[in-house]
Amino acid sequence: QSALTQPASVSGSPGQSITISCTGTSSDVGGFNYVSWYQQHPGKAPKLMIYDVSKWPSGVSNRFSGSKSGNTASLTISGLQAEDEADYFCSSYASSRTLAFGGGTRLTVL
Amino acid sequence: EVKLVESGGGLVQPGGSLRLSCAASGFTVSSNYMSWVRQAPGKGLEWVSLIYGGGDTRYAESVKGRFIISRDNSKNLLYLEMNTLRPEDTAVYSCARGGIGATWAFDIWGQGTMVTVSS
Repeated sequence: QSALTQPASVSGSPGQSITISCTGTSSDVGGFNYVSWYQQHPGKAPKLMIYDVSKWPSGVSNRFSGSKSGNTASLTISGLQAEDEADYFCSSYASSRTLAFGGGTRLTVL
Repeated sequence: EVKLVESGGGLVQPGGSLRLSCAASGFTVSSNYMSWVRQAPGKGLEWVSLIYGGGDTRYAESVKGRFIISRDNSKNLLYLEMNTLRPEDTAVYSCARGGIGATWAFDIWGQGTMVTVSS
């Protein structure tokens, strides 16, 4: 069982927006602004999409945005494109000085 | 080119040991925090261990006391020494670089090396 809870799957049509949630506790997501999001295509290494809740690494599209409210962080993808179809994982620094990952969400672009 | 390449995986019996290596190019491992993350077949990501630039280390509870993260600055290599291996340690192990200016977020990942623990 993963430390952070994500929906197993989400889907959307091209051009639409979708949001993936990542729920933790006050000891991780709610306690620190150190939530990251990763995109992983099949057989590929994860790619950092968002860090520190809402910051973009160089080269990442601003169609991807992150936010947090209480113990739940969210990744929103606007203007869905076919290439966005992938698995998405959240992670959060925790008070135990460790890192927790979510179980992952499979995004399907219809 | 900034790159990470892991090696050292393989088949090992329960209770056995293995040492993974991660070769970095395009940057210096000692200047960044570095981590090992694993992914069991068909499963999600699981953080394993981290080493700060200053040398402090952190471990997931599931591997504490069994795994050791270290680095060789002269060779620009990151290591993960794994002891008392269990079947549940079976996974692809990837090394990852801490993102500059980011906290516990990893901007460069290797492709991983497979570790199978089975009799």
